[in-house]
Amino acid sequence: GESVGLHLPTLSVQEGDNSIINCAYSNSASDYFIWYKQESGKGPQFIIDIRSNMDKRQGQRVTVLLNKTVKHLSLQIAATQPGDSAVYFCAETPPSNYGGSQGNLIFGKGTKLSVKP
Amino acid sequence: DTAVSQTPKYLVTQMGNDKSIKCEQNLGHDTMYWYKQDSKKFLKIMFSYNNKELIINETVPNRFSPKSPDKAHLNLHINSLELGDSAVYFCASRRDGYHLGQYFGPGTRLLVL
Repeated sequence: GESVGLHLPTLSVQEGDNSIINCAYSNSASDYFIWYKQESGKGPQFIIDIRSNMDKRQGQRVTVLLNKTVKHLSLQIAATQPGDSAVYFCAETPPSNYGGSQGNLIFGKGTKLSVKP
Repeated sequence: DTAVSQTPKYLVTQMGNDKSIKCEQNLGHDTMYWYKQDSKKFLKIMFSYNNKELIINETVPNRFSPKSPDKAHLNLHINSLELGDSAVYFCASRRDGYHLGQYFGPGTRLLVL
């Protein structure tokens, strides 16, 4: 079946640098995407979302970019801090005929971000 | 004032036992979910449920069954536990409407011996 995947399983950055986490999705009919952050021992935490009618959305220190042409999603974190160290997941919501009638999310494999002080 | 809570946080049990994990959300959300996260951190949906419909992921064994006593609770009951059931189980909830972001509980770490 179709699924969401990530290009890089691990990413190590220096504190203060910008981080970019990438995600490729295969279901071109998906119309809603979310980035989650999961710290060790905790549940996933919502970071930012974007609908397919947008190509960019900004939050506090985070920006999500959506390129529907190549089915690519990225999360940019500005001035990365030690507290940003976590596993980051992208998730997509397929249309209802793919089980999306209740907003079901399909998660990617996750990227572990490590921030070096 | 925890939004989505799960009990227990840790569960260690023997193969063949039956166990339940409880989930409660105080957000007034309409739909609740159960996910399984394996040792490689892969998150996979098991069930989604609102007062209208239960959607079951076809890959979930019928030993797993969700039970919802009311809109704020969705418990997970597991019969005849197997070694492969060891994982972290997350409950999540969402309000119907435009924003489809789900809020997750802290997880229940299940270890089957």
